[in-house]
Amino acid sequence: NAGVTQTPKFQVLKTGQSMTLQCAQDMNHEYMSWYRQDPGMGLRLIHYSVGAGITDQGEVPNGYNVSRSTTEDFPLRLLSAAPSQTSVYFCASSYRTDTEAFFGQGTRLTVV
Amino acid sequence: QQQVKQSPQSLIVQKGGISIINCAYENTAFDYFPWYQQFPGKGPALLIAIRPDVSEKKEGRFTISFNKSAKQFSLHIMDSQPGDSATYFCAACADSWGKLQFGAGTQVVVTP
Repeated sequence: NAGVTQTPKFQVLKTGQSMTLQCAQDMNHEYMSWYRQDPGMGLRLIHYSVGAGITDQGEVPNGYNVSRSTTEDFPLRLLSAAPSQTSVYFCASSYRTDTEAFFGQGTRLTVV
Repeated sequence: QQQVKQSPQSLIVQKGGISIINCAYENTAFDYFPWYQQFPGKGPALLIAIRPDVSEKKEGRFTISFNKSAKQFSLHIMDSQPGDSATYFCAACADSWGKLQFGAGTQVVVTP
């Protein structure tokens, strides 16, 4: 069983480029979320979704878009990458917010 | 601003010693308090969680202590082992379909 799969694992972007970080889960979880991890800042919530067609903003949503067309997939889009978006990104899924969250392996993004 | 404040940022403990990590919160609506463990290059994984109707929860060498009146909770790692060397995050959420918010993390190093 795959759990939560994130692609790619590593990515280097130039300032102004766009890209999509992919996230897929096979546990039929309704709740999915995206976090970024920066040294000394912990995990900060970017966007989350409580089911297909429903998304909401987290603590640091600026510069990121999401959509949830299926239960399984929750892609994160960077429309115009900035150096401040250099970070490690984690996707997570769970049955609800207050149950065990399963994290992907992360995507290390560098914007130059 | 972070809704969950975690300390210390890092700690070093000898094998067999006790590691203690503290978290404090302001939002009295929080009713689920998990701890996550993260090894380098991996996503976080749930270690143990508590709800405010109990003051303590123990799983093996890991114990959560919860003080509702002080709005604080802590993780105790008893008989610390080198394999416990990791980053630990506390988190909290206020409802079943909302935001799970994390502390800044504590890097624990257990020396042989």
